[in-house]
Amino acid sequence: DVKVTQSSRYLVKRTGEKVFLECVQDMDHENMFWYRQDPGLGLRLIYFSYDVKMKEKGDIPEGYSVSREKKERFSLILESASTNQTSMYLCASSLNRTPSTDTQYFGPGTRLTVL
Amino acid sequence: AQRVTQPEKLLSVFKGAPVELKCNYSYSGSPELFWYVQYSRQRLQLLLRHISRESIKGFTADLNKGETSFHLKKPFAQEEDSAMYYCALSSYYGGSQGNLIFGKGTKLSVKP
Repeated sequence: DVKVTQSSRYLVKRTGEKVFLECVQDMDHENMFWYRQDPGLGLRLIYFSYDVKMKEKGDIPEGYSVSREKKERFSLILESASTNQTSMYLCASSLNRTPSTDTQYFGPGTRLTVL
Repeated sequence: AQRVTQPEKLLSVFKGAPVELKCNYSYSGSPELFWYVQYSRQRLQLLLRHISRESIKGFTADLNKGETSFHLKKPFAQEEDSAMYYCALSSYYGGSQGNLIFGKGTKLSVKP
């Protein structure tokens, strides 16, 4: 079974704080993704990575950065948290670049509240 | 522009009734489409993909290229089908592959 774990289920931070969300997968997947999930907006891709030290912007990268120093770990960083970043953050991983077989496996999510 | 539209935010049916969750897409190439599901307090997971042409938990989805649709259907809904359903389109852009574009989701509520 693929396991994608996220460091926290719930996180409360203050405006202006630097926030780190960690994601680890144990199946040697090439690809990793960060989404935010908001009611009525669905899932929106923040950043993704196809290889170690590689990153690409998704649809809503503003206010976020990422780090992938090791294949199994993908970190999302909020440089200066703001209240509009209060959301559920989902990490996902997938094996390869062939979309027809490329199931994404999701973590349990981190619900971040920024006060 | 590549886009996935799920027109219904909420769909409520009674147990045993047929259910159809609508999904329309916009994509210039040959689409790869998926349905993902999130049950209460569980993580998001793949339900089915169009290329497999499979039935999972009684659900089927047929790709209709003429209508650019990929509706999810089940002839007899069960209470355990209550969940949030997301339609997703696999997208290529730039040099990147394998990203998913998600619709906004439809919450299915099956009443006893």
